[in-house]
Amino acid sequence: AQKITQTQPGMFVQEKEAVTLDCTYDTSDPSYGLFWYKQPSSGEMIFLIYQGSYDQQNATEGRYSLNFQKARKSANLVISASQLGDSAMYFCAMRGHRLFGNEKLTFGTGTRLTIIP
Amino acid sequence: ETGVTQSPTHLIKTRGQQVTLRCSSQSGHNTVSWYQQALGQGPQFIFQYYREEENGRGNFPPRFSGLQFPNYSSELNVNALELDDSALYLCASSFRVTRGEGNEQFFGPGTRLTVL
Repeated sequence: AQKITQTQPGMFVQEKEAVTLDCTYDTSDPSYGLFWYKQPSSGEMIFLIYQGSYDQQNATEGRYSLNFQKARKSANLVISASQLGDSAMYFCAMRGHRLFGNEKLTFGTGTRLTIIP
Repeated sequence: ETGVTQSPTHLIKTRGQQVTLRCSSQSGHNTVSWYQQALGQGPQFIFQYYREEENGRGNFPPRFSGLQFPNYSSELNVNALELDDSALYLCASSFRVTRGEGNEQFFGPGTRLTVL
């Protein structure tokens, strides 16, 4: 079974500061993928960044980077230079390797990020 | 490129009724997954369809059923609605390859279902 834990229900960050959202995971799959999604109040899940378990380097996408520490089973999202538009719910998710039939995404409970002007 | 679309956006039903939610996958995608997101929770996987067949199911009773059509669009049907079925229902499409961990799932805007 796969499990995602997000221990920060809510965070308040000053505009233009960097923010780290925590995510730890548990899985018995030897190969897996980790995702971060942003969910504004409108409800749509917006894909932010992906990290494969065998990727040698941490993933980056613009202002988003994923701090992947495999031995510690953590996949924290770092947002640099936060903007007011970053205020939203953020979900960490995992998917097992397709060959093991783990097609589904398993989500954490999310972190509500509020950017303060 | 057209993104994932869902209809309707909002729906109100009463307990015991049946509901059908619809999803059109993103252009070029061949796999559709459905998720239920209760208020204050993360999405929970309901099931996935690939090439018109169910390809994995979460911990949901049989009254949750689905279909995928040749154009890869999909329906989620829920029979005998219960109050706890009130949630945001999200559809996600992706392109399945035969090997590898595959690509990210792109989500639609969701259908908010309220059961009274």
